[in-house]
Amino acid sequence: AQTIHQWPVAEIKAVGSPLSLGCTIKGKSSPNLYWYWQATGGTLQQLFYSITVGQVESVVQLNLSASRPKDDQFILSTEKLLLSHSGFYLCAWSLQGERLFFGHGTKLSVL
Amino acid sequence: QQQVRQSPQSLTVWEGETAILNCSYEDSTFDYFPWYRLFPGESPALLIAIRPVSNKKEDGRFTIFFNKREKKLSLHITDSQPGDSATYFCAASEQGTGSKLSFGKGAKLTVSP
Repeated sequence: AQTIHQWPVAEIKAVGSPLSLGCTIKGKSSPNLYWYWQATGGTLQQLFYSITVGQVESVVQLNLSASRPKDDQFILSTEKLLLSHSGFYLCAWSLQGERLFFGHGTKLSVL
Repeated sequence: QQQVRQSPQSLTVWEGETAILNCSYEDSTFDYFPWYRLFPGESPALLIAIRPVSNKKEDGRFTIFFNKREKKLSLHITDSQPGDSATYFCAASEQGTGSKLSFGKGAKLTVSP
């Protein structure tokens, strides 16, 4: 069975501090991977997607970056957090680009 | 510009009634329309989806009605149950674009017993 694990579950960070969020998918070879962000009361906004190791496409510019160092790992990061980065971050995977399977998300509060 | 719009933002119905959630979209190249459901404390999960070759897709108590000419679709939940209370997201994408799903803002459904 496929499992998707996100870490941490929640983070409280100061403005200007660095951030690293992780996502691991087990049980699926070469999945498409995605990072989504949901501001409070907002929609699910796709940030990045990756169809293979080392290749990441940016969908929205939010002063964030993403990397896929391994087939089953997707990392979201920034060197300097902004207040506007607060929200809920969801990692997801799919095959053939249709049905998405989401992780449980990371709640980020930037103070 | 919001590619996918949902209305209403929140809806309350009584148990047994039909809940209707509406969705409209801008891009005429969209050809895949899934609905995702989010229960509190859980992650969004695919509920039902439709492609424009059909104007209706049914799965148990859940039915999507699709109007390509008006770029509108709606999710009907018949015989609503308290367990259907959740946030429902309409989404749209163009096939073959690496699943660049555009989501609506979601609609919070509450079913009162």
